[in-house]
Amino acid sequence: DVQLVESGGGLVQFGGSLRLSCAASGFAVNSNYMSWVRQAPGKGLEWVSVIYSGGSTYYADSVKGRFTISRDNSKNTVYLQMNSLRDEDTAVYHCARTKMVRGVYYFDYWGQGTLVTVSS
Amino acid sequence: EIVLTQSPGTLSLSPGERATLSCRASQSVSNTYLAWYQDKPGQAPRLLINGASSRATGIPDRFSGSGSGTDFTLTISRLEPEDFAMYYCQQYGSSPPTFGQGTKLEIK
Repeated sequence: DVQLVESGGGLVQFGGSLRLSCAASGFAVNSNYMSWVRQAPGKGLEWVSVIYSGGSTYYADSVKGRFTISRDNSKNTVYLQMNSLRDEDTAVYHCARTKMVRGVYYFDYWGQGTLVTVSS
Repeated sequence: EIVLTQSPGTLSLSPGERATLSCRASQSVSNTYLAWYQDKPGQAPRLLINGASSRATGIPDRFSGSGSGTDFTLTISRLEPEDFAMYYCQQYGSSPPTFGQGTKLEIK
């Protein structure tokens, strides 16, 4: 069965850093596209970043230059390094296996998410 | 970017009833690239529908999707107790992918 388990969330100060992890089972992350999607309190879902099977990475404008997505094939794990955190980055962060259709994405399996709270 | 507006915000129904959830796009969604997800507290969101009307693997046939252009609908033919949850639509017809704000389906 496909399973995604996120970890690494917590309370961090404004301007600080945090690294999220997403451990996958039931499939290989390096043979799939993997994304991070977040949901701020009381708000809708927002796609954050994707890593392609070939290693290319893409980001939403709201996090470009501050967040970095990566993976460790030996651990079958995807990461999100978040730097220069802002109040508006407070959210539950989900990782999701991603399907690309003509350059745009939908998400066929999700994790439960990990909460990131940025305090000022 | 395409803005998706879901209605109603909250839908109160009883088990056994039919639920109709709406998702309207600010511009036409290319090739009916529209997905629906179910989200329950403490659980991972689940893909229900992609391509506006194709059920994902393992999704019961009481869930159906329809629509094209700017207007899409998720229908649950006969509500089961486990169907009460949040539902989100998402378009992937143009970049960036965007989501609606959700419809809460609650027990009446």
